[in-house]
Amino acid sequence: AQKVTQAQTEISVVEKEDVTLDCVYETRDTTYYLFWYKQPPSGELVFLIRRNSFDEQNEISGRYSWNFQKSTSSFNFTITASQVVDSAVYFCALSEADRGGSEKLVFGKGTKLTVNP
Amino acid sequence: DSGVTQTPKHLITATGQRVTLRCSPRSGDLSVYWYQQSLDQGLQFLIQYYNGEERAKGNILERFSAQQFPDLHSELNLSSLELGDSALYFCASSGPGLAPRSSYNEQFFGPGTRLTVL
Repeated sequence: AQKVTQAQTEISVVEKEDVTLDCVYETRDTTYYLFWYKQPPSGELVFLIRRNSFDEQNEISGRYSWNFQKSTSSFNFTITASQVVDSAVYFCALSEADRGGSEKLVFGKGTKLTVNP
Repeated sequence: DSGVTQTPKHLITATGQRVTLRCSPRSGDLSVYWYQQSLDQGLQFLIQYYNGEERAKGNILERFSAQQFPDLHSELNLSSLELGDSALYFCASSGPGLAPRSSYNEQFFGPGTRLTVL
C-alpha cells in the first residue's frame, strides 16, 4: 500500500531562514512518481515538482531544492532564504501507475509553513 | 490558470440535502480525478473517470457518486449530506491517453469547490 508521511505538522521560521520540509514515502512498486504541491491561503493547489523513481538527481529551482533518496524513501524539500510569500501548506504526494492505468495521487497530511517578517 | 474549471466555487447547504459539483477538464484531457480535502482526512482521492468510464475508486462514500459525460465534463453528486462532508473538493484532469508505466500524465487541478454543510 502507498503511504506518504509528513511528520512536521507546522513549522514557523523568520524571514531569510532556510527551512526543510520532510517527506517519507512507502510503496511496493519500482516505478512511481513523487510530487510537491503548495497550497497558499487562497486554497488552490500549485504544482511545484515531479520526480520519477529512476531519477535520483537532486534538483534546484531558484530558492527551492529537492533531495530524493531512495535508500531512505525520502523526498525532502528545502526553501532557502524563506520569504513571507512562502507561507502556505505544502503537500508531498506519491503516484504509482497501477495496472489499471490510474495515476491517482496519495497525499501526505501536509506541513503548514509560516514565515514571519 | 490550470485550464480546469469547477463550479460552483462555494456551496452552502443543510444536512440531508443533495448537491452536484461540476468539473470541466482541460481541452483534450480524457481523465478526471476527484479529491476531497477535509480537516480530519486530509487530501484524499475519491474517484477517477477516463473517457466516460470509471477507472479507479478510492475512499468514496456510498452516498457519493460521479459520472463523466460524452463532452468529458464530470459531476460529483453528494447526497444525504452530513456535517462531516464539509470540505474542499478538487477536480483534476490529465490525458489525453493513459500513460504507460514508464511515463506519467500530469494532473492539473481546478480551483476547488468549498462545500459547507450546516
